[in-house]
Amino acid sequence: EAQVTQNPRYLITVTGKKLTVTCSQNMNHEYMSWYRQDPGLGLRQIYYSMNVEVTDKGDVPEGYKVSRKEKRNFPLILESPSPNQTSLYFCASGKTASSSGNTIYFGEGSWLTVV
Amino acid sequence: AQSVAQPEDQVNVAEGNPLTVKCTYSVSGNPYLFWYVQYPNRGLQFLLKYITGDNLVKGSYGFEAEFNKSQTSFHLKKPSALVSDSALYFCAVRDLNTGFQKLVFGTGTRLLVSP
Repeated sequence: EAQVTQNPRYLITVTGKKLTVTCSQNMNHEYMSWYRQDPGLGLRQIYYSMNVEVTDKGDVPEGYKVSRKEKRNFPLILESPSPNQTSLYFCASGKTASSSGNTIYFGEGSWLTVV
Repeated sequence: AQSVAQPEDQVNVAEGNPLTVKCTYSVSGNPYLFWYVQYPNRGLQFLLKYITGDNLVKGSYGFEAEFNKSQTSFHLKKPSALVSDSALYFCAVRDLNTGFQKLVFGTGTRLLVSP
C-alpha cells in the first residue's frame, strides 16, 4: 500500500529537549516536505527536499532542521523545541516537477506538544 | 503570490442535502487546484484536483468540484451529504514560483453534517 508514514504520532516533550519526527514514504517519490498545521492558519511549509541531499527552506523554517540522506526518509529535527512549536505536523511526498499536476500525498500527522 | 481563500470557517448541512464548501483563488498564470480532507485523527487525504480540461472535476467519496475561471473559484460539492462527510476540508493551490511542488493552503472549512 502506497503511504507516507510518520512517527511518533503523538508526543509531549519539554522545552529544549531535542526531538526527531521521522517520515518515510514507499512510493519512490523524489519530493518530500514538512508542513505544520495551526488553527486559523491552514498548513504552512517548513522545509522541502527535491531529491537526496537537496533540501530548502519553506515559509516557516525557524527552529527546524531536516536531512535527506536516503530517498525514502525525511526526518524533521527540533534541536531545542519551544512552546510555539506545539502543532500538528504533516510529512508529504510527490513526484518531482515533471508536471505541475502531480498529486502530493500526506502522512497521518504528528501531534507535538512542547511544555 | 499564489493564494486561496476559504471564506467559511464552518458549514452545517443536514444529511441527504447537497453541500458546498467554497474556495476562491488568486494566481498568476494557470491555476492548479486541489482539495484535501482531514477526518478526525486521520491524515490529510487527497480528494480531487483541477489541472486542465473539464471544469467539473470528480473525486473520491462522491465529491466533485467546479472550476470557474471568471469567478476565480473552485467550490467543492456533493449532491447528498453523509454524516461521515463531517471533517475539515482544505483547498490548496500549487505555487508555481517554488519549483511546482509547494502547495499553498487555505485556512480550512469544517463541515458538520447532522443526522
